[in-house]
Amino acid sequence: QVQLKETGPGLVQPTQTLSITCTVSGFSLTSYYMQWVRQTPGKGLEWMGFIRSGGSTEYNSEFKSRLSISRDTSKNQVFLKMNSLKTEDTGVYYCARNWELGYWGQGVMVTVSS
Amino acid sequence: DVVMTQTPVSLSVSLGGQVSISCRSSQSLVHNNGNTYLSWYLQKPGQSPQLLIYKVSNRFSGISDRFSGSGSGTDFTLKISRVEPDDLGVYYCGQGTQYPFTFGSGTKLEIK
Repeated sequence: QVQLKETGPGLVQPTQTLSITCTVSGFSLTSYYMQWVRQTPGKGLEWMGFIRSGGSTEYNSEFKSRLSISRDTSKNQVFLKMNSLKTEDTGVYYCARNWELGYWGQGVMVTVSS
Repeated sequence: DVVMTQTPVSLSVSLGGQVSISCRSSQSLVHNNGNTYLSWYLQKPGQSPQLLIYKVSNRFSGISDRFSGSGSGTDFTLKISRVEPDDLGVYYCGQGTQYPFTFGSGTKLEIK
């Protein structure tokens, strides 16, 4: 059974770094792309980037150099790190599997506020 | 970036009825490899989006045949027949042909 679950801090202060972990089960990270999508009040659904089954990454240039996606295959975990957070980064962050986003996690709500 | 435009913004349908949602892209979604990476998602209230249709017309695992997708190039349609109460929510189209992948703004389906 394919399962994805995001865990994260909930509240982050402006200018700080966001770290979210996506823990998966039921499949191997070495066989599928893993993507990050967020949903914000201002922009709706936004694709952030992905990590390929082979480990290379692709990012939405919107996030420029703020974003990093990595993984630990031994722990079945994918990581999102984004620095220099702004209030408009407030939203729900999802991890999802494969090119078509066939499976999604439950999402983690992140509020950027002082 | 490819802009995805969905219409209508919202619609109301009676149970058992049929609806169509349109999605237009600002550029052709035909990939260099010949595939067209246009997908449809449903986000039910309080839930994550779920994949319904991928590559224009392919139903994802477990998706009812009441959902069908069609279209080509820049013009795509999702049809829902025999609407059921569980179909309510917001429908999104999304493209995976060009970076950055982009989504439409959503169509809210309400049941009369």
